[in-house]
Amino acid sequence: EAGVAQSPRYKIIEKRQSVAFWCNPISGHATLYWYQQILGQGPKLLIQFQNNGVVDDSQLPKDRFSAERLKGVDSTLKIQPAKLEDSAVYLCASSLGGLDKNGYTFGSGTRLTVV
Amino acid sequence: AQSVTQPDIHITVSEGASLELRCNYSYGATPYLFWYVQSPGQGLQLLLKYFSGDTLVQGIKGFEAEFKRSQSSFNLRKPSVHWSDAAEYFCAVGAGDDMRFGAGTRLTVKP
Repeated sequence: EAGVAQSPRYKIIEKRQSVAFWCNPISGHATLYWYQQILGQGPKLLIQFQNNGVVDDSQLPKDRFSAERLKGVDSTLKIQPAKLEDSAVYLCASSLGGLDKNGYTFGSGTRLTVV
Repeated sequence: AQSVTQPDIHITVSEGASLELRCNYSYGATPYLFWYVQSPGQGLQLLLKYFSGDTLVQGIKGFEAEFKRSQSSFNLRKPSVHWSDAAEYFCAVGAGDDMRFGAGTRLTVKP
């Protein structure tokens, strides 16, 4: 089975610019997550979707971050405007339905550098 | 809310030596517990998981972990480390509908 696809793999932008990341989860996985992993730290949940509805976005900085999953499949995460502290790896993960016994399947991530 | 602590930021072991990575969690009930491994530039790969039953769980790549309720721990072990095991290891605790990760332990393997 194909894994979780993310693009781009790397992105370098200047502060105050905008950027978007794309994620295609495993086929049939209803739940999709975006995590932020700052260098030297564990992944931190930003937002969780169940199909095309938001389940948890309590840790998403909504003044600059937005995410959508319009058709319940692919998802995009946007940052506008970016700050230096947004430099991190953004990981997308999916699961059949919430936290199940298989955990999550992660993509390879998008490494964002803000200069 | 659940939380995870990995006390060791960085561990160095010699190839062929045994390994133990520590993980302590905080949660009111028995959570789901996971260990993930992350190689440079890669996503996280699930090594093993615990939900209930036998407290010693076996995973991929020769890893095992033991759940100790009295110590709120879920330590990862491997009897003989290979150079390819060098990576970042994350313990995670799941409860309700989400999962929280520890800060990770970076493993260096000396030849």
